[in-house]
Parts: sequence; structure tokens; C-alpha cells
Amino acid sequence: DAMVIQNPRYQVTQFGKPVTLSCSQTLNHNVMYWYQQKSSQAPKLLFHYYDKDFNNEADTPDNFQSRRPNTSFCFLDIRSPGLGDAAMYLCATSSGGGEREGNEQFFGPGTRLTVL
Amino acid sequence: DQQVKQNSPSLSVQEGRISILNCDYTNSMFDYFLWYKKYPAEGPTFLISISSIKDKNEDGRFTVFLNKSAKHLSLHIVPSQPGDSAVYFCAARSSGDYKLSFGAGTTVTVRA
Repeated sequence: DAMVIQNPRYQVTQFGKPVTLSCSQTLNHNVMYWYQQKSSQAPKLLFHYYDKDFNNEADTPDNFQSRRPNTSFCFLDIRSPGLGDAAMYLCATSSGGGEREGNEQFFGPGTRLTVL
Repeated sequence: DQQVKQNSPSLSVQEGRISILNCDYTNSMFDYFLWYKKYPAEGPTFLISISSIKDKNEDGRFTVFLNKSAKHLSLHIVPSQPGDSAVYFCAARSSGDYKLSFGAGTTVTVRA
């Protein structure tokens, strides 16, 4: 089955210790997104790639970086995690077309990040 | 600034009855609306959508209604089943854009 896979599902890191979260997709979608979701809040878009083009949201802290080495994989790097970065990190993909309808986003199961 | 709002964080309904989830938006450029369903320890999955050229879309037990003048949409689940217990997110985007704006979600609990 075509899907979006995130590894690891649970990640524990220490305050200030860099961490990398991984996402892969078998859907061959053009767009890959990273969201941060804290409890009882809306998923917050951090950035996305359209093919190789990186698009950062204006309010995403510099502490968050991303890499997309190929169509299938995308990584989220947190350079110096703070306690406030503890959250669920969701990866999603979409075809990226500008059609009025369709083009839904498909989500991975998420990575729960704990910062000690 | 939150452009999509779900003002009810939770909803409890008896099995077999109707669940009504509400969503409001502020951006008048939004013209495509989606509902996602999320179980614990899983990512959100697409449930149903509606374009602004329609005011109703139905898929089995799920119906979404759109009131453009009020900038309001709702999701009806009839009849509600225990497997419908989940968090439901409302999302919206505008034509030509592929990024979504999400609401904070409504947790639905269906009681047996």
C-alpha cells in the first residue's frame, strides 16, 4: 500500500542535543510537509518542499531545518531542542496540483518528541 | 492568527444518534474545505471534502454542509458508531494553493 512512513515513532532527546526526524513516502507526491502539533492545538505548518524547492513559514524558528535529498525522503532537523519543542511532528504529502478539488494531504503516523 | 476555528473541543454522543461538528473560518479566499479524522497514535486521514460551489456533500454516513455567507461548515455523522470515536480536524485552502489551514480539532466520543 502506498503510504507515508515516519521514523522513529517516539524520540527522546536532551535539552540542546540535536535530533533528526525522518519521513518517507511511496506516493511519489511532489510536496512534502512538516507540521508541529501540540496537545489540543491545530497542526502548525513549519515548512514544505515542492519538489526541491524549500518553502519556510514566516514564523518557523531558525532552530528547525529540513532536507529533502530525493522525492521519497524528507528530514526534519532540530538543531538545539528546547523544552518548548516537545510535540508531535507530522509529515504529510500531496500531489501539489492547483486543482480546485482533490489534492488532499496524506499524513504519516507522526513522531512524538520528548525533550528532557 | 487562527483562520480556521473549531470552538467545541469535545463532543459526546450516544451510539445511533447524530454527531454534529462545527467549523468556522475567517479567510474569504478559502474555497475548498476538508475534514480529517485522527485516531490515537495515528496520523490524520482524509474523511470528506466540499468545494465552495456546493453547499452539501454526502458520503455514506458523513455529510458536510457549507454556508459561505456565514463562513461556517459542519460535519454530520448519522448514525454515530463507536468506531467514530476520534479527533476530527477541519481544514481549508484556497484555489491554486495546496497548503491547508487546520482547526484545533474536536474529540468525539460515541457512548454505547
